[in-house]
Amino acid sequence: QKEVEQDPGPLSVPEGAIVSLNCTYSNSAFQYFMWYRQYSRKGPELLMYTYSSGNKEDGRFTAQVDKSSKYISLFIRDSQPSDSATYLCAMSHAGGTSYGKLTFGQGTILTVHP
Amino acid sequence: NAGVTQTPKFQVLKTGQSMTLQCAQDMNHEYMSWYRQDPGMGLRLIHYSVGAGITDQGEVPNGYNVSRSTTEDFPLRLLSAAPSQTSVYFCASTPGGLTGELFFGEGSRLTVL
Repeated sequence: QKEVEQDPGPLSVPEGAIVSLNCTYSNSAFQYFMWYRQYSRKGPELLMYTYSSGNKEDGRFTAQVDKSSKYISLFIRDSQPSDSATYLCAMSHAGGTSYGKLTFGQGTILTVHP
Repeated sequence: NAGVTQTPKFQVLKTGQSMTLQCAQDMNHEYMSWYRQDPGMGLRLIHYSVGAGITDQGEVPNGYNVSRSTTEDFPLRLLSAAPSQTSVYFCASTPGGLTGELFFGEGSRLTVL
């Protein structure tokens, strides 16, 4: 069983929809949680990071962490065609985060159509 | 700032051949790592380095060697290529800290026949 599970989709939504992306994990040592966005034929880029349980908002994006359920989510409001990409959750314990030693989910392919 | 530069972008090898994927960063980051990305598997850590002269294994290190002689460069060597090593390889660097922000190159697409 993988330490981090993420539904690969693909997910297709109309412009303006609210998108919900999710990951579950099994390693209780994970303390730091990230969402990366990867456009086609490019390297991933950090979208959001969070440490504690709860919500963190950045513009149209909200990251949510529930450590008791070992479940993290990313919500995208008012989705745009430019949001079409692969979204990867990633997580680590404290030392690993510093070193760049992350555990990634499989990635969810999202398409937002006009 | 070029960021993280990987070469080559594409490579085709025959089984048993060896090659080196090059990675260079100009951000003076202490930490560098190599990941491979396969369909349905996400990114998996191959090797990482916490500074010049110091490397360690990640989740899938077999068949790969690394070295870190300078802060800037972190090459990945395939000793005897196998079809199972067909993948997209990403090099990344980070200055450290707790945001988990890795700066990735654009990837090297390797096919082993």
